[in-house]
Amino acid sequence: SQQGEEDPQALSIQEGENATMNCSYKTSINNLQWYRQNSGRGLVHLILIRSNEREKHSGRLRVTLDTSKKSSSLLITASRAADTASYFCAPGAGSYQLTFGKGTKLSVIP
Amino acid sequence: NAGVTQTPKFQVLKTGQSMTLQCAQDMNHNSMYWYRQDPGMGLRLIYYSASEGTTDKGEVPNGYNVSRLNKREFSLRLESAAPSQTSVYFCASSGGGTPYNEQFFGPGTRLTVL
Repeated sequence: SQQGEEDPQALSIQEGENATMNCSYKTSINNLQWYRQNSGRGLVHLILIRSNEREKHSGRLRVTLDTSKKSSSLLITASRAADTASYFCAPGAGSYQLTFGKGTKLSVIP
Repeated sequence: NAGVTQTPKFQVLKTGQSMTLQCAQDMNHNSMYWYRQDPGMGLRLIYYSASEGTTDKGEVPNGYNVSRLNKREFSLRLESAAPSQTSVYFCASSGGGTPYNEQFFGPGTRLTVL
């Protein structure tokens, strides 16, 4: 399995602004997943994008994938205080082993 | 549906003691996982079970054993706890029979080893 590296490590924005976080990985993937973790809780799956997809939307979330650059980005539009959480990417290469990076800690200030 | 449940929620052990962390899922998922998360770190996979009857080591298996009791239940055992095993432990499951599926996580067990 391979680990995704999220960037930035921390991000602080005002409510209503957009938040963008990035993920880089090293080898070929089959899909890439994004998860959210609220403080002290288990991870919650947000979205999965397959390697043959370039963009995917789910509500206020927009994920892009650039396999040539081995990178993905997660955009949260019109952020809310409830979006405050850590966000993790997990590149998948066909193994059952997903490896999570250290995440991006997002703080949305009301 | 309860999803993925874990017991206990909190546990304090002394060095050398043993304990078993329990995990159960009611989503009829084939695959189950155990992770640990240390402060400021991502999750690291300890063991996983791709399907009932199989278990495999993950990234950090030393000091742990697992049992896939049936399709619903996957337990993690610490035979002789060490302070380095102080962590938050998460169980997860996924369905579909392939690795390309989202994982559903339990609420975690906070373990402190003194």
